[in-house]
Amino acid sequence: ETGVTQSPTHLIKTRGQQVTLRCSSQSGHNTVSWYQQALGQGPQFIFQYYREEENGRGNFPPRFSGLQFPNYSSELNVNALELDDSALYLCASSLGASEAFFGQGTRLTVV
Amino acid sequence: GENVEQHPSTLSVQEGDSAVIKCTYSDSASNYFPWYKQELGKGPQLIIDIRSNVGEKKDQRIAVTLNKTAKHFSLHITETQPEDSAVYFCAASEWDDKIIFGKGTRLHILP
Repeated sequence: ETGVTQSPTHLIKTRGQQVTLRCSSQSGHNTVSWYQQALGQGPQFIFQYYREEENGRGNFPPRFSGLQFPNYSSELNVNALELDDSALYLCASSLGASEAFFGQGTRLTVV
Repeated sequence: GENVEQHPSTLSVQEGDSAVIKCTYSDSASNYFPWYKQELGKGPQLIIDIRSNVGEKKDQRIAVTLNKTAKHFSLHITETQPEDSAVYFCAASEWDDKIIFGKGTRLHILP
């Protein structure tokens, strides 16, 4: 077990709705990154938060947004859901520049 | 930006034999190369990593090699066991930056 926990584990939403996914980082870790993993593909970087500030963003539209809280937990918000947003969303935590450890993911299905 | 190619996409080996997965990367600035194992319904698990100042690293039955000149790196699993069956991802990053993943190799260990 990595100590990174994500909630919920599964979620079904309707196209056009908004969703919030949550991640608790491993104790002592101050950096959280979010990834989207489509079926049969490798994870793709969405963005990273370091000490509550966005610290890098991948090729995702602005309707993907995030937050990091003072306890270093994090949220991923997706507005105006599209069918293609259906995927496994992964959170990874690290202590600055160190190995990243992943949670078990949230499986989002958009119908 | 960085691009990571991974081969093969599927690999079947007899239990007890060795498995080799190969990756190439494009960005010479990448200096950190982790390997992840992902089992069904779980997040990626870091199994071994290598940094650009090292050519080879071994941990029990798992070894990784890195050729910086050719921008190649490989994962070697010896004496394969049924529990090695999973999807394996190679990845590349600059040390404190986003991780770029390959598309994965589905490894089947045959009895």
